Amino acid sequence: AQSVAQPEDQVNVAEGNPLTVKCTYSVSGNPYLFWYVQYPNRGLQFLLKYITGDNLVKGSYGFEAEFNKSQTSFHLKKPSALVSDSALYFCAFFYGQNFVFGPGTRLSVLP
Amino acid sequence: GAGVSQSPRYKVTKRGQDVALRCDPISGHVSLYWYRQALGQGPEFLTYFNYEAQQDKSGLPNDRFSAERPEGSISTLTIQRTEQRDSAMYRCASSRSGYTEAFFGQGTRLTVV
Repeated sequence: AQSVAQPEDQVNVAEGNPLTVKCTYSVSGNPYLFWYVQYPNRGLQFLLKYITGDNLVKGSYGFEAEFNKSQTSFHLKKPSALVSDSALYFCAFFYGQNFVFGPGTRLSVLP
Repeated sequence: GAGVSQSPRYKVTKRGQDVALRCDPISGHVSLYWYRQALGQGPEFLTYFNYEAQQDKSGLPNDRFSAERPEGSISTLTIQRTEQRDSAMYRCASSRSGYTEAFFGQGTRLTVV
């Protein structure tokens, strides 16, 4: 079955430290992978995507993600976290005719 | 428009009433999606349109739910005979085509009392 997992419900990191939000997937064929962020009382905002090409993709707000085919992972990273990065993060893949979202990881960046 | 627009933002309705939720996608976007999101969880797929054609409705929970996009632009999600379990955030998204990133609206918070 096609699925995406985010193994951590919550990630806490100190401001200025690097952050990683984990995502693993189970998709047949070549995956089209995405990261979205949701701030409180807001809609989902697109951060970045991997379709093909370079395994390291860069997105909005200084975020990047690394596609690892052998580990079926697509972890979201940022070199230096900001308090304003605190939000709910969703990993997703496009399959068939729709996006399938993970359960989400809540990131808290502590000042 | 500049982004995906959904209306109303909030809807409180009595059990048994019908509701219609509207989505105005980004101009020129071919693909339109409806999702339902419970608090603190990921969005769950409801239905997908390519232009005016509803190409996938496998996520609609039951036959009380229906959706249309008659002219390939604005879409309406209708829930008939609402039940309390229908209470959720309903989100619409559009994209230029399949496999490209989707842009989400602010959502409609539906509360059935």
